[in-house]
Amino acid sequence: SAVISQKPSRDICQRGTSLTIQCQVDSQVTMMFWYRQQPGQSLTLIATANQGSEATYESGFVIDKFPISRPNLTFSTLTVSNMSPEDSSIYLCSVEGSTEGAFFGQGTRLTVV
Amino acid sequence: DQQVKQNSPSLSVQEGRISILNCDYTNSMFDYFLWYKKYPAEGPTFLISISSIKDKNEDGRFTVFLNKSAKHLSLHIVPSQPGDSAVYFCAASLGYSGGGADGLTFGKGTHLIIQP
Repeated sequence: SAVISQKPSRDICQRGTSLTIQCQVDSQVTMMFWYRQQPGQSLTLIATANQGSEATYESGFVIDKFPISRPNLTFSTLTVSNMSPEDSSIYLCSVEGSTEGAFFGQGTRLTVV
Repeated sequence: DQQVKQNSPSLSVQEGRISILNCDYTNSMFDYFLWYKKYPAEGPTFLISISSIKDKNEDGRFTVFLNKSAKHLSLHIVPSQPGDSAVYFCAASLGYSGGGADGLTFGKGTHLIIQP
């Protein structure tokens, strides 16, 4: 299993500002994933982050809005840029499991006002 | 278009009875299915999974059934306990047992409430 520390756990931000979410894993992993869960919706994959290369974004998500860093095999950040109220969501980082599918951080609850 | 659907946003079950959570999928390429449990202010945690080559997997009080022809799976919890109250997410994977490079596709979740 993997233990994932994600911070902040929650934040309230002004529209037009940016927030960077940090994700620390207790072991080295090749791939890290960032998900978003909007109110009443399922978890949606934003991007996959591999160390040493640019993140791969899913349809509907772009690097300018959600820049991701992956400086080493245990750490990643997701920035939510130029925020609007529509960005209010729970953001989750995860790492690949085997039979467990994935391990998740505790999530960041973002409210944009 | 949602590829994984959980049509019941909530389910209320009496303690000691069986809880049955349902999940439907549309993509026949999915070959691995998982259930996650989520408490408020926590990330989802893995509960149980099933490969498409099986139709049943059991782990203690939890059993997952897969009906490939109907593209339907269900999670049975018996007996239900108060600590089972949580949101349950169904997820599916393409081609990899662990989600792989494509990540996981999730349903919207079902909020299970166990009543004393």
